[in-house]
Amino acid sequence: QQQVKQSPQSLIVQKGGISIINCAYENTAFDYFPWYQQFPGKGPALLIAIRPDVSEKKEGRFTISFNKSAKQFSLHIMDSQPGDSATYFCAASNNNAGNMLTFGGGTRLMVKP
Amino acid sequence: EAQVTQNPRYLITVTGKKLTVTCSQNMNHEYMSWYRQDPGLGLRQIYYSMNVEVTDKGDVPEGYKVSRKEKRNFPLILESPSPNQTSLYFCASSFRSGNTIYFGEGSWLTVV
Repeated sequence: QQQVKQSPQSLIVQKGGISIINCAYENTAFDYFPWYQQFPGKGPALLIAIRPDVSEKKEGRFTISFNKSAKQFSLHIMDSQPGDSATYFCAASNNNAGNMLTFGGGTRLMVKP
Repeated sequence: EAQVTQNPRYLITVTGKKLTVTCSQNMNHEYMSWYRQDPGLGLRQIYYSMNVEVTDKGDVPEGYKVSRKEKRNFPLILESPSPNQTSLYFCASSFRSGNTIYFGEGSWLTVV
């Protein structure tokens, strides 16, 4: 049973559009919520992360929205570009549990030119 | 250049033949871990180590062993591989708990 559920599994967006990926978690002890981006043949790389004391974090075109009461967080990619085409993973961890990241199932994003 | 290096990158082996996937990091990180990636399941942690000689089980440790004799190295050992261990494996490291985790480029393992 996955503790972090991610949707959708795949997403197609036109260039310039907004990509939205959602995640929901169960463990209220989670206190760190990163998003990872993975290109084919490469390992995941940290994209952006948030802690539960804030509801939103923005870095360039990437924004995390966090809803603690609903136990949900989402990634928004504004002005999506073909170079954003990759697999995105949300994750969560509890600092007191040895930094063990629990990942969502991943979303394969394709941005069409 | 900061790196997590794992070898081999690609391996096809037969059931029961012991194999080791090596992992090395050059960032003096305390924390290292192994994940496996399977379609629809994301990445699941196999084992992690918070420092030399300190290792602990992750979500899916069955069939795997690890050791941490030196800070920079964290090999993953499959004593008797089985086809259900066919997967993409990632080694990862971070300075300490709560810091950014860096991943290697992955090792594709096929057990026939």
